[in-house]
Amino acid sequence: GQQLNQSPQSMFIQEGEDVSMNCTSSSIFNTWLWYKQDPGEGPVLLIALYKAGELTSNGRLTAQFGITRKDSFLNISASIPSDVGIYFCAGKIYGGSQGNLIFGKGTKLSVKP
Amino acid sequence: ETGVTQTPRHLVMGMTNKKSLKCEQHLGHNAMYWYKQSAKKPLELMFVYSLEERVENNSVPSRFSPECPNSSHLFLHLHTLQPEDSALYLCASSQRGEGTEAFFGQGTRLTVV
Repeated sequence: GQQLNQSPQSMFIQEGEDVSMNCTSSSIFNTWLWYKQDPGEGPVLLIALYKAGELTSNGRLTAQFGITRKDSFLNISASIPSDVGIYFCAGKIYGGSQGNLIFGKGTKLSVKP
Repeated sequence: ETGVTQTPRHLVMGMTNKKSLKCEQHLGHNAMYWYKQSAKKPLELMFVYSLEERVENNSVPSRFSPECPNSSHLFLHLHTLQPEDSALYLCASSQRGEGTEAFFGQGTRLTVV
């Protein structure tokens, strides 16, 4: 089946550092979504992207829809302890079942104060 | 608060028990989903309901039985589960069609003993 390759799998960073993670696929996507999940909670939507090349920010978070439509990245600037959690990318494949998202395996972020 | 509410938050059940998970969305969406999240695995789509009709069943065992009585409510009926069914079960909702996001509930942590 279709897969999203999300990397890195985990990150250990110092507070104040910038973070970058990405997702790639062999399929073309028409939507990219980035979620954050805290332990024991459901994923919370951070940023939604709908057009190739689109660059969108949400506070310290910035995400881009790759121009090939096969990848996306998420950057977090000046990380703080509450950024800890698991970040998931998700996408909808062009021409795929409407409404069905494919998820990456997540990037676990740990921040040292 | 994402507008999607799941109950109970935690459930422990024996393999011979019958229980139900409930999901309610207050977002006016017309599609609802059940996902399973196990440790070290990507989110697995189980069922999709669109306009109260099941449009997808991703080869889920019959011991999981979904029900969607209206566009705001979704149930997952459980019976004769196995220990390997222990996981976080997440409900989500969206508007069907292109360019839409899925919003998740907080999940039900299920433990089968």
